[in-house]
Amino acid sequence: EAQVTQNPRYLITVTGKKLTVTCSQNMNHEYMSWYRQDPGLGLRQIYYSMNVEVTDKGDVPEGYKVSRKEKRNFPLILESPSPNQTSLYFCASSLSGELFFGEGSRLTVL
Amino acid sequence: AQSVSQHNHHVILSEAASLELGCNYSYGGTVNLFWYVQYPGQHLQLLLKYFSGDPLVKGIKGFEAEFIKSKFSFNLRKPSVQWSDTAEYFCAVNAHNYGQNFVFGPGTRLSVLP
Repeated sequence: EAQVTQNPRYLITVTGKKLTVTCSQNMNHEYMSWYRQDPGLGLRQIYYSMNVEVTDKGDVPEGYKVSRKEKRNFPLILESPSPNQTSLYFCASSLSGELFFGEGSRLTVL
Repeated sequence: AQSVSQHNHHVILSEAASLELGCNYSYGGTVNLFWYVQYPGQHLQLLLKYFSGDPLVKGIKGFEAEFIKSKFSFNLRKPSVQWSDTAEYFCAVNAHNYGQNFVFGPGTRLSVLP
C-alpha cells in the first residue's frame, strides 16, 4: 500500500530536549516536504527536498533542520524545541505536483 | 510571495444544501491549484486538482471547482452536501516559477447538520 509514515504520532517533550520526527514514503517520490498546521493559519511549509541531498527552506524554517540521505526518508529535527513549536506536523511526498500526506505528528513542547 | 485566502472561516449548512467555498490566490503566473479535505482527526486528502485545460474540474465525492484566471479564483462547489462532508477544506497553490513551494490557505471548516 502506498503511504507516507510518520513517527511518533504523539509526543510531549520539554524545552531544549532534541527530538526527531521521522518520515518515510514507499512510493519512490523524489519530492518530500514538512508542514506545520496551526489553528487559523492552515498549513505552512517548513522545509522541502527535491531529491536526495537537496533540501530548501519553506516559509517557516526557523528552529528546524532536515536531512535527505535516502530517497524514502526525510526526518525533521528540532535541535532545541521551544513552546512555540507546539503544533501538528505533516510530512508529504509528491509526484507530478500532487501531495500525499502522512497521518500527522502532534508535538507538545512544555 | 504567493498567498492564498479562503473567504470563510466556518460554514454551517443543513444536509442537501448547496456549498460554495471561495479561494483566491495572489500569484499572476502559471499555477497548479488544489483542494484538500481533512476529516476530523485525519490527514489531508486530495479532493481535486487543476493543472491545465478545462477550467471546471471534477473531483471525488461529487465535488467540483472552477478556475477563473481573471479573478485568481478557484472556488469549490457541491450541489448537495451530506453530514459526512463535515471536515476542514484547504485550498492550495503551487506556482510553476516557485518550484515545489506549495502554499495553503487558512482553511474553511464545514459543519453539516443532519
